[in-house]
Amino acid sequence: DQQVKQNSPSLSVQEGRISILNCDYTNSMFDYFLWYKKYPAEGPTFLISISSIKDKNEDGRFTVFLNKSAKHLSLHIVPSQPGDSAVYFCAASLTNTGNQFYFGTGTSLTVIP
Amino acid sequence: KAGVTQTPRYLIKTRGQQVTLSCSPISGHRSVSWYQQTPGQGLQFLFEYFSETQRNKGNFPGRFSGRQFSNSRSEMNVSTLELGDSALYLCASSRGTGDYGYTFGSGTRLTVV
Repeated sequence: DQQVKQNSPSLSVQEGRISILNCDYTNSMFDYFLWYKKYPAEGPTFLISISSIKDKNEDGRFTVFLNKSAKHLSLHIVPSQPGDSAVYFCAASLTNTGNQFYFGTGTSLTVIP
Repeated sequence: KAGVTQTPRYLIKTRGQQVTLSCSPISGHRSVSWYQQTPGQGLQFLFEYFSETQRNKGNFPGRFSGRQFSNSRSEMNVSTLELGDSALYLCASSRGTGDYGYTFGSGTRLTVV
């Protein structure tokens, strides 16, 4: 049973525009969320995180929004750059149960120059 | 600082054989987690080791096992390999206490024929 879902397997965006990647989760007890970026032949790299006590976290071009009532989070990349082309995974955890994360299936982002 | 090192990078095994994968975490990291990545399934949590003890376990059969040594290095073993075990196996390390989120290795690509 997939507790974290990324329903869009792929997304294409023009360079300079906004990329919005979406993620839904089913377990309302999740209290920590992360986004990872993965290039081919490499492991995922941490991008940005958000705790359930916040609804927004920004880091440069990357902003994560959390809507707890909808059990939805999104990653906004503004402006999108060709180097952002990668697979993006969202992940969620219950921090009081240790270091186990539930990952979505990923969204492949292509930024077109 | 050195990252998370996984060996080997690629492996081809025959059905019924067993395999051992190795992971060296970042120096100072005491938690090592293992994930299986397959197309369409995202990253599935296998288990987490912290200070030589298995702290969390995912939903995988007993053919999948692991251990952690006193220097925090970890090994994962899969016995009686099946074709469906073909996947990218990712190891991730973290301090394991008070911080969340991982640093991933580049993975071991296992192909079972």
